[in-house]
Amino acid sequence: DGGITQSPKYLFRKEGQNVTLSCEQNLNHDAMYWYRQDPGQGLRLIYYSQIVNDFQKGDIAEGYSVSREKKESFPLTGTSAQKNPTAFYLCASSNSGTGVNIQYFGAGTRLSVL
Amino acid sequence: EDQVTQSPEALRLQEGESSSLNCSYTVSGLRGLFWYRQDPGKGPEFLFTLYSAGEEKEKERLKATLTKKESFLHITAPKPEDSATYLCAVQAGGSQGNLIFGKGTKLSVKP
Repeated sequence: DGGITQSPKYLFRKEGQNVTLSCEQNLNHDAMYWYRQDPGQGLRLIYYSQIVNDFQKGDIAEGYSVSREKKESFPLTGTSAQKNPTAFYLCASSNSGTGVNIQYFGAGTRLSVL
Repeated sequence: EDQVTQSPEALRLQEGESSSLNCSYTVSGLRGLFWYRQDPGKGPEFLFTLYSAGEEKEKERLKATLTKKESFLHITAPKPEDSATYLCAVQAGGSQGNLIFGKGTKLSVKP
């Protein structure tokens, strides 16, 4: 089945620890995105990538980093500098280009900082 | 500034009681407006894309419409399984495919 796989589903970390969230897609999409969702808030864009080996900061990139070494993979790392990391993290992918491209989402990772 | 506002924040309906959700937007050159459904603890599921004012799309009990300033998601004779949060998002002209999301409307349908 084609889709987007996020892992783990739940993640717990201690304050000061880095953590990496995995996102893999087999939809052959060029573009991938990371969002953060907090209760009562809309989805906020953290990072996005339109092509392999290239990515741009979104609205709330501070304290996060990404890499895009393969088309299928777009891991997100939360560093110890990131404030209030407890949230629901969503990865999405889409075709790229100048048209209107539908974003498809994974099931999410819920990160809790202890 | 590009912005999306959804109302109401929450809506409670009885099974069979039709209603509408609103998505108002301010964007420089709308390329597309998207509706998603999100169940608790899951990722958003794509429902519709609307491209221009006057366009309508339907799927089962859902019908989405678009004007130059807002979109409506009409729910006809809803069932309990329609309970979810419905998200609206817009893609602005000149964007690299990035979406601007509203905060969502949480719909509860009671039997």
